[in-house]
Amino acid sequence: SQKIEQNSEALNIQEGKTATLTCNYTNYSPAYLQWYRQDPGRGPVFLLLIRENEKEKRKERLKVTFDTTLKQSLFHITASQPADSATYLCAGTAGGGNKLTFGTGTQLKVEL
Amino acid sequence: DVKVTQSSRYLVKRTGEKVFLECVQDMDHENMFWYRQDPGLGLRLIYFSYDVKMKEKGDIPEGYSVSREKKERFSLILESASTNQTSMYLCASSYPPGHTDTQYFGPGTRLTVL
Repeated sequence: SQKIEQNSEALNIQEGKTATLTCNYTNYSPAYLQWYRQDPGRGPVFLLLIRENEKEKRKERLKVTFDTTLKQSLFHITASQPADSATYLCAGTAGGGNKLTFGTGTQLKVEL
Repeated sequence: DVKVTQSSRYLVKRTGEKVFLECVQDMDHENMFWYRQDPGLGLRLIYFSYDVKMKEKGDIPEGYSVSREKKERFSLILESASTNQTSMYLCASSYPPGHTDTQYFGPGTRLTVL
């Protein structure tokens, strides 16, 4: 079955550094990948979307890449701040359909 | 701004009770979804709906049913609550196919079944 996998270990980084989170997909070819942020006890919030024919997408301090050879997306937060601490979810869809397949998320902690 | 609201943030029920969780979206979205989220298991899709009165099973529909009588409202029903249904329940909505399938989530309902 189609799977989205994210590193379940928390990522701890220092303020000001770049955080890089990984998302790998197996058993299908998503037409696009999406990244969401989830704070404790809250619903996920959409951040960015990248299509399979796009190599890279940016939005302010966020950057997402899509490598169809490696079957992987990387999510970068540059100049990270403590307010960026949250769990980040990757989700994929084959397109034209309505369901997303979500990864279990990676918790990011940005320390002073 | 898209707004998805859920009827309760916290709910405590007893085993065997019938439980209704309601979700309302204000963006005229065609599609609505119910998930549950548990530590280590991520988001698991319970049911979704493409249109009024239409529903499809997700990955874990057992023990749940849904109702969509109006486009903006999607209800999740636990016919006879059990302790293993203690979880965070999240509702989401999205545009129809051809769009990006981006989902907009409600704040979640933390359900505890005693």
